[in-house]
Amino acid sequence: DAKTTQPNSMESNEEEPVHLPCNHSTISGTDYIHWYRQLPSQGPEYVIHGLTSNVNNRMASLAIAEDRKSSTLILHRATLRDAAVYYCILRPPINAGGTSYGKLTFGQGTILTVHP
Amino acid sequence: DGGITQSPKYLFRKEGQNVTLSCEQNLNHDAMYWYRQDPGQGLRLIYYSQIVNDFQKGDIAEGYSVSREKKESFPLTVTSAQKNPTAFYLCAISTGGGQPQHFGDGTRLSIL
Repeated sequence: DAKTTQPNSMESNEEEPVHLPCNHSTISGTDYIHWYRQLPSQGPEYVIHGLTSNVNNRMASLAIAEDRKSSTLILHRATLRDAAVYYCILRPPINAGGTSYGKLTFGQGTILTVHP
Repeated sequence: DGGITQSPKYLFRKEGQNVTLSCEQNLNHDAMYWYRQDPGQGLRLIYYSQIVNDFQKGDIAEGYSVSREKKESFPLTVTSAQKNPTAFYLCAISTGGGQPQHFGDGTRLSIL
């Protein structure tokens, strides 16, 4: 499975934008880039995903490099509720008869601390 | 998460005992997954199922068993063969393709 590299931790102030980087130099052409976040004692929460183009949703934006070897999750205005562990994950598509079954391989993630 | 129910929230196992964790969904998703999370670590895949009556081993299947008799249910049994079962167990569901997985609230299993 292709791996991702993220900083162990990042800090931000409330109301400021946050850019969370992720390197994935061994990404394959069919891997989707997924971001999840997890609060203590809760299941991970889906944030955003993309394949080639930049993506926006109500939670965040995902900027994908042209060569797809890196991506950045952008929280436009951090709040205290955004403090969590953020995981950048490469997900292969589910293929009929294939073996990937679209599984997620979680790394250590980035611990985001948001200061009031 | 709405549509996924894991129970119980906390579970205690005695030595040599099998225990079963429940995962139910009402979103009609085909794929279901079980993950294990140890403190300070990411999630690791135990088993997954794409359709009823079919499931595949993940990365750490030893000491675990599953069944998928109904589309909405994917129970996980932690057997006595699993020597280090204390962990946070998470169930997830997904539609096909590269679509996201949605997770339940988890079950925390401890040994008495």
